[in-house]
Amino acid sequence: RKEVEQDPGPFNVPEGATVAFNCTYSNSASQSFFWYRQDCRKEPKLLMSVYSSGNEDGRFTAQLNRASQYISLLIRDSKLSDSATYLCVAHNNNDMRFGAGTRLTVKP
Amino acid sequence: NAGVTQTPKFQVLKTGQSMTLQCAQDMNHNSMYWYRQDPGMGLRLIYYSASEGTTDKGEVPNGYNVSRLNKREFSLRLESAAPSQTSVYFCASSVTQGSGNEQYFGPGTRLTVT
Repeated sequence: RKEVEQDPGPFNVPEGATVAFNCTYSNSASQSFFWYRQDCRKEPKLLMSVYSSGNEDGRFTAQLNRASQYISLLIRDSKLSDSATYLCVAHNNNDMRFGAGTRLTVKP
Repeated sequence: NAGVTQTPKFQVLKTGQSMTLQCAQDMNHNSMYWYRQDPGMGLRLIYYSASEGTTDKGEVPNGYNVSRLNKREFSLRLESAAPSQTSVYFCASSVTQGSGNEQYFGPGTRLTVT
């Protein structure tokens, strides 16, 4: 079983839609969590860190549920430019584990 | 400020050949990492260097060696390439290795071993 599991998708949504991705992690010692965005044939780039209380950055909201060991990302009012693969990451001091990613395509 | 740079961008090797992937960062980060990315597998850590002068194995170190040449540079060497090492290789750096520190990635090297 992978340490970080994500639904691979693809999620195909129309512009303006709200879409949510979930991610589960198996290592209860994980201390910090991130969402990265990766465009086709490019490097991953940090989208946002995930805090225990949940955090919002514009159209993006991240939530962490430590008891259930899952992390979520909500994207509101989807734009064409949001089309990418979203990587979930669980990190402790010595180990950073990436999910395989969820692919999102936003269509006009 | 170039961030993290990697060379080469593309490489084709024959089985048994050797090569070194180069990585450099200009952000004065202490920690550097090498990952490989394969379809359906996500990024997997090969080796990391928490600080200059130290290196440690990650999740998939077999078949690779690394050198932390100085604070800026961290190279990855394949001594005898195998087809199973066909992958996209990413170098990354972070301020420190501790939790909460985001990693910045280079553009990647696409390696094919025939």
